[in-house]
Amino acid sequence: QLHLQESGPGLVKPSETLSLTCTVSGGSISSNSFYWGWIRQPPGKALELIGNIYYTGSTYYNPSLKSRVTISVDTSTNQVSLKLSSVTAADTAVYYCARDRDYGNFDYWGQGTLVTVSS
Amino acid sequence: QSALTQPASVSGSPGQSITISCIGTSTDLGSYSLVSWYQHQPGKAPKLMIYEVSQRPSGVSNRFSGSKSGNTASLTISGLQADDEAVYYCCSYVGSRSSVFGTGTEVTVL
Repeated sequence: QLHLQESGPGLVKPSETLSLTCTVSGGSISSNSFYWGWIRQPPGKALELIGNIYYTGSTYYNPSLKSRVTISVDTSTNQVSLKLSSVTAADTAVYYCARDRDYGNFDYWGQGTLVTVSS
Repeated sequence: QSALTQPASVSGSPGQSITISCIGTSTDLGSYSLVSWYQHQPGKAPKLMIYEVSQRPSGVSNRFSGSKSGNTASLTISGLQADDEAVYYCCSYVGSRSSVFGTGTEVTVL
């Protein structure tokens, strides 16, 4: 059974960079056909796709966040990473990693991690 | 891309059927038959319940069914059970590896 676990600081200061890691266990991140996505949910708001990555490193970023987002993959450690720069209070959210089997069908999710942006 | 519109809450008694709507536009639900639904219970990871409008992943009860007509998708839960209480989200593929989610619907079993 595939398991995804997000990790990283729960508190980030305004203007700094948010960094999260998703560790995948129970399966290889290098499996063909799957993308690995980051999704977030600000308090009281809808889920939002931040972006996704294929194990080859090919990425997609949400245009609204593209200038601040970097998603990377490390196949040696079976991890996917998210960096979001110049954060503001609007970036406060629960951040999830998820496997996209195809066309937005996210079949495995992590439990999510709350990141608060505050000084 | 704006979020898909869902009712904030839907409730029903045990054994009843409920339907959750998900309203989009011609650029998302109207263009793709690639709709998924997720169940999110407190303290748990979101769970894929329906994909490609009406397909159920292995292990998901056949009490859950999905459909789509035009710019609106629907999730029906029949034989409502207490364990069905959760927030349900719809999601539509919108091309170029991008997806948009719904606003979420809280299901309460009375």
